[in-house]
Amino acid sequence: ETGVTQSPTHLIKTRGQQVTLRCSSQSGHNTVSWYQQALGQGPQFIFQYYREEENGRGNFPPRFSGLQFPNYSSELNVNALELDDSALYLCASSLRSDGFDEQFFGPGTRLTVL
Amino acid sequence: GENVEQHPSTLSVQEGDSAVIKCTYSDSASNYFPWYKQELGKRPQLIIDIRSNVGEKKDQRIAVTLNKTAKHFSLHITETQPEDSAVYFCAAIVGGFKTIFGAGTRLFVKA
Repeated sequence: ETGVTQSPTHLIKTRGQQVTLRCSSQSGHNTVSWYQQALGQGPQFIFQYYREEENGRGNFPPRFSGLQFPNYSSELNVNALELDDSALYLCASSLRSDGFDEQFFGPGTRLTVL
Repeated sequence: GENVEQHPSTLSVQEGDSAVIKCTYSDSASNYFPWYKQELGKRPQLIIDIRSNVGEKKDQRIAVTLNKTAKHFSLHITETQPEDSAVYFCAAIVGGFKTIFGAGTRLFVKA
C-alpha cells in the first residue's frame, strides 16, 4: 500500500450542499492531483497542486476547488453538489522531478449525492 | 481535446493465455504512458510505464509497446493467472502534469 491517505472513506450529501475531502500525501511528495472516478469509468483529472499552487486543471467547473497546505496535504472542495457529483474521488501524490513522476494513489472517498 | 481510447472494454482469457489491451491517444505532446491495475474496491496501482523515447519495456510477464507515429500503445500480459483479473487503465500524461485515463478494460482470467 502507498503512504497516501484520504478522509473520509464514505460520505453522503444532499443536492446543493458543500463537501470537503482531504488527502495526506506520501512523505516527501510535493505534488498532488485529484481525480473523479464515476462507476465503471476511468479517473477524470480535476486539478493538480504543486507547492501550494494550482498547476493545471481539467474540464471541471469552478465549484470544484482545492488547496494544498505547507505540509503538502490537500483538500478538494465541491460547492452546490449535483447528483452527477456522486463518484469515487481519488487523490494521488508524487514528487515532481523530471516530468515522468510516478503517482501514488490514495484509497479514495466515495461520495454519494442524494 | 485530449482523449485516450482503450479497447477492449472487457477481455476474458483462459489461465496461461496472453492478454493484450490497446490504447490510442490524441495529443502528440503526450510523453509518458503509465498503466494501472485496479482491483474491486481498491486504489489504482501502477504496474508498468513507458516514456516517449522508448519503444518497448518489459517487466517479467508484463510488457508495454509504444508507437508514437501512430499514437498507439499496448499492454501485453503473458501466462495470465487468476490474480491478474482486475480492471486495467492506460493513461497519457499531457503537459507534464495532466493525466488522461482510458475508460478501462475489465480482464477476467478463467482458471
